[in-house]
Amino acid sequence: NAGVMQNPRHLVRRRGQEARLRCSPMKGHSHVYWYRQLPEEGLKFMVYLQKENIIDESGMPKERFSAEFPKEGPSILRIQQVVRGDSAAYFCASSPGHVEGDEQFFGPGTRLTVL
Amino acid sequence: AQKITQTQPGMFVQEKEAVTLDCTYDTSDQSYGLFWYKQPSSGEMIFLIYQGSYDEQNATEGRYSLNFQKARKSANLVISASQLGDSAMYFCAMREGRYSSASKIIFGSGTRLSIRP
Repeated sequence: NAGVMQNPRHLVRRRGQEARLRCSPMKGHSHVYWYRQLPEEGLKFMVYLQKENIIDESGMPKERFSAEFPKEGPSILRIQQVVRGDSAAYFCASSPGHVEGDEQFFGPGTRLTVL
Repeated sequence: AQKITQTQPGMFVQEKEAVTLDCTYDTSDQSYGLFWYKQPSSGEMIFLIYQGSYDEQNATEGRYSLNFQKARKSANLVISASQLGDSAMYFCAMREGRYSSASKIIFGSGTRLSIRP
C-alpha cells in the first residue's frame, strides 16, 4: 500500500512564475491537508480538502494561492507569481476521516525554491 | 484559540539515556487529540504516537511514551534508551475534535534532539 505521494520533490522557480505541487493521498483516503514549513519552523496549516470540496482554507494566503482536489486525480496546490518568501517545504497529508484517533499520514514534501 | 508550546529549542542527550521532550497546549475544546512527529534531516514527517483527550491511559509505542497530564495541559514525549538514530526535530501537535475530519493539526515550533555517542 503506497503512502502519500508528492511530486515533484524539489521545485525551482524564478520570481513571477507559477508553481504546481501535486499530492496523491493514500489509497482509500478522501481527506487531504496541505501544510507549509518555513526554514527552522514548525508546519503551518494551509488548507483542508475533501473530494471536490474545500472544507477549511483558513491558513491559505488570500492571494496567489489556490488548492483543489478533483474527483479524479491528485490534489493540486497552485502558487501564482511566486516570490522569494514562498520558498519553503510544502507537505501534504491524508486521512480516511471519521476514525477515532486516526493520524494524518504525511507525504515526503515538496521543497520549493524561488530564485 | 489552539496553541502548542515547546520550550526546548534544542537538547543534547547521551546515548542510551532516557529523554523527555516538553509540550504544553491550550484549547477550549473538551475533545482533542495530541500527536508527536519526528522529522529527521531527510525532511519527512514520521508519526510517533497519539493520545486522545478521553484516553485514561498514557499512550505507548515501543520506546516512545506520552506523559499526558490533562489538568496541566501537558503532553510530554518520553524516549527510553535513546539511540543515535533518534537525532532529529520533534514536533508536538494537536487537533481539536476526535476525528481527523474535524480540524486541522496545529504544530509546535519543535525541539531539535541530538544524541551523543
